[in-house]
Amino acid sequence: SQQGEEDPQALSIQEGENATMNCSYKTSINNLQWYRQNSGRGLVHLILIRSNEREKHSGRLRVTLDTSKKSSSLLITASRAADTASYFCATDFQGAQKLVFGQGTRLTINP
Amino acid sequence: EAEVAQSPRYKITEKSQAVAFWCDPISGHATLYWYRQILGQGPELLVQFQDESVVDDSQLPKDRFSAERLKGVDSTLKIQPAELGDSAMYLCASSLAPGRDGEQYFGPGTRLTVT
Repeated sequence: SQQGEEDPQALSIQEGENATMNCSYKTSINNLQWYRQNSGRGLVHLILIRSNEREKHSGRLRVTLDTSKKSSSLLITASRAADTASYFCATDFQGAQKLVFGQGTRLTINP
Repeated sequence: EAEVAQSPRYKITEKSQAVAFWCDPISGHATLYWYRQILGQGPELLVQFQDESVVDDSQLPKDRFSAERLKGVDSTLKIQPAELGDSAMYLCASSLAPGRDGEQYFGPGTRLTVT
């Protein structure tokens, strides 16, 4: 079974708007990662946030982590058409040696 | 920039036939992963190698799937016999360290269709 659950499952916004995706998980984690997947392609790593961190930034990406609520959010600011993709959170939960991926949020940026 | 290579990119096979996928990880990456991704879902780990040793194959259907990484470099995933439910994207990834400590680099995947 998959540990993380993304919300919403699908999101459609206008170019230039901000996009926010959420990820909830069930058990304590060591770190949480976000990946992007363009249609029919492999995944690309975006950002990793450790359990003792609350916020990280990378370019137009901002990730927050709330371990008390077992949730994370990914914010993409000033969205572009090229941001159209599926976004997955992946958790490395304590006691495991592997990443467990959620089902993803499909983001569509309309020009 | 170094990339994970996979072949073939697409494979169509009939059920009960054998099929094999190949992966060449980024040079120097000791950890190699095979994932299966069903359309509309996230990747699910099938097997994880550390060098040539399997460290996790708990989700690998061992009655029909096998994986090897003989020299600790490239790897092959085999399905025999293929079933209709095996239709999916098969992704290979590699990392410098085991999954928990860093990012994974994914190949482009092999899209398998079983008819």
